[in-house]
Amino acid sequence: EAGVTQSPTHLIKTRGQQATLRCSPISGHTSVYWYQQALGLGLQFLLWYDEGEERNRGNFPPRFSGRQFPNYSSELNVNALELEDSALYLCASSWDREETQYFGPGTRLLVL
Amino acid sequence: AQRVTQPEKLLSVFKGAPVELKCNYSYSGSPELFWYVQYSRQRLQLLLRHISRESIKGFTADLNKGETSFHLKKPFAQEEDSAMYYCALRGGSTLGRLYFGRGTQLTVWP
Repeated sequence: EAGVTQSPTHLIKTRGQQATLRCSPISGHTSVYWYQQALGLGLQFLLWYDEGEERNRGNFPPRFSGRQFPNYSSELNVNALELEDSALYLCASSWDREETQYFGPGTRLLVL
Repeated sequence: AQRVTQPEKLLSVFKGAPVELKCNYSYSGSPELFWYVQYSRQRLQLLLRHISRESIKGFTADLNKGETSFHLKKPFAQEEDSAMYYCALRGGSTLGRLYFGRGTQLTVWP
């Protein structure tokens, strides 16, 4: 069974630019979650999508947004990048909100 | 508010010694607790969840609601247990999202 995949693996942007990160869930999983792992801050919940709808949002500014496509894959968009957005962004998927979340390898974003 | 605390950032033990990774939480309802592990250069993966009450790779964890703890234990540590361990909580109106502790880096010396 293929696991959660994320692209790109690394992304380098400059301050003020926009970044788009992509996630493909495990086949059959309808829920996708995004987490930010910044140095020294641990894993912070960003967004949860289920059946194409945003179900929950963490304590992040509106310039963090995303969407889920009909095939359940997801995009995370970060607008007006700031230096502190540099982090590892993890995507996870699950059958539903009560089931185990399986994580992808992450996208490492560096903002210069 | 939900919160997960892992008081030890680093933990070192020798091979064959018992190991306990501490996790305390704050949550007013009935939480679901998890331990995730991240081995070097691998993705984060589930080690165990309290509702399954099973032992994985020799690790066990008991939910103690009175002490609001979910400590991870193994009687005899192995070198391959060296990894980053995260305790996580899920529950209530925020069902779906996981709250993570900051993690404990376990090193098992030969």
